[in-house]
Amino acid sequence: GQQLNQSPQSMFIQEGEDVSMNCTSSSIFNTWLWYKQDPGEGPVLLIALYKAGELTSNGRLTAQFGITRKDSFLNISASIPSDVGIYFCAGLSYGGSQGNLIFGKGTKLSVKP
Amino acid sequence: DTAVSQTPKYLVTQMGNDKSIKCEQNLGHDTMYWYKQDSKKFLKIMFSYNNKELIINETVPNRFSPKSPDKAHLNLHINSLELGDSAVYFCASSHAYGGEKTQYFGPGTRLLVL
Repeated sequence: GQQLNQSPQSMFIQEGEDVSMNCTSSSIFNTWLWYKQDPGEGPVLLIALYKAGELTSNGRLTAQFGITRKDSFLNISASIPSDVGIYFCAGLSYGGSQGNLIFGKGTKLSVKP
Repeated sequence: DTAVSQTPKYLVTQMGNDKSIKCEQNLGHDTMYWYKQDSKKFLKIMFSYNNKELIINETVPNRFSPKSPDKAHLNLHINSLELGDSAVYFCASSHAYGGEKTQYFGPGTRLLVL
């Protein structure tokens, strides 16, 4: 079945540093989504990407939909302590009537003040 | 207003019991989902459902069954709970058709089976 490889698995950074994480797949996706999950909460959508090559920003976050439609990256600039959490990529394919959302295994981000 | 809500937030129960988790969305979405997140934080789809079609992940035991009284609700019933059912269960919703099928998640229900 379809799988997403998300890396890195975890990151320990200093406040103020930039962060980069990515997801790759052997399959093509129609949509790439990036979610953040805080402890004890559900995943919250950060950025949605709908077109190959699309580059979208949300504050200090920037994400791109790879031109091959098989990958995406998320960058966080000037990290702050509240950026701590688990970041998930998710790829959506439109096979079938409802589509199929596949999640990466997450990148756990720790920020040291 | 909470877009996707779930109750209860925490559920502790004995092995063998039957329990239900409720989910409601006020986003006007057509499709709702249930996910299971294991201890390693891996999110796995269990069901997706709209008023026309229920799609079941083939790995989900038939002790799990979704029930939808209307478009805004998708409840999850679990029979004969087992220790391995302990996990966090997330409800989500999205539009059914069109270019945007982005899923929005509820806060989760933390199930512990003793």
